[in-house]
Amino acid sequence: ETGVTQTPRHLVMGMTNKKSLKCEQHLGHNAMYWYKQSAKKPLELMFVYSLEERVENNSVPSRFSPECPNSSHLFLHLHTLQPEDSALYLCASSSGLAGYNEQFFGPGTRLTVL
Amino acid sequence: GNSVTQMEGPVTLSEEAFLTINCTYTATGYPSLFWYVQYPGEGLQLLLKATKADDKGSNKGFEATYRKETTSFHLEKGSVQVSDSAVYFCALSDDGRGGSEKLVFGKGTKLTVNP
Repeated sequence: ETGVTQTPRHLVMGMTNKKSLKCEQHLGHNAMYWYKQSAKKPLELMFVYSLEERVENNSVPSRFSPECPNSSHLFLHLHTLQPEDSALYLCASSSGLAGYNEQFFGPGTRLTVL
Repeated sequence: GNSVTQMEGPVTLSEEAFLTINCTYTATGYPSLFWYVQYPGEGLQLLLKATKADDKGSNKGFEATYRKETTSFHLEKGSVQVSDSAVYFCALSDDGRGGSEKLVFGKGTKLTVNP
């Protein structure tokens, strides 16, 4: 595997379910990101981790809970979601080195909340 | 705060037409500027970037020049192909904390190229 991978690619869940999204990067990067992409809205940055420490939390509801056990893996734990949380969730990584600010994105998980 | 404004889509062109997608930004300091492309069913891919004023980023026939005087980073291609159909996002870097980099994105412009 190369680049940034995300699983599952598609997820349908009820409002009372608990599920997790997984992201893995094979690039040796130190920073990882979760974004939400909804129709007709700009990309929303949700969380940022640098060296496994959360450095950004953009007023995201507590029903979204991130976890970064090591610099290669990032999870987004979901519970009691709402239908308006249906969106494409994108993971990205970057080197974390000054001047190397390109982010590499995974293919996303298409989430539908019923 | 920093922001990016790009032209609203959708944009529909015929093959071999000239493409311009406008992007302007508001920022303090000296951000890097990016164009990302998202093909159907995929994540975002970096198309090109420019890190300082007057830099020109280029890739796959696409070009954009970092214009500090007009705070712009317009995307251009001389002759589009059907395979260029995608959503294009303009973005700027915003210093993150702890070695991370925040990207501020525009809303995206959907391009459809017809044969």
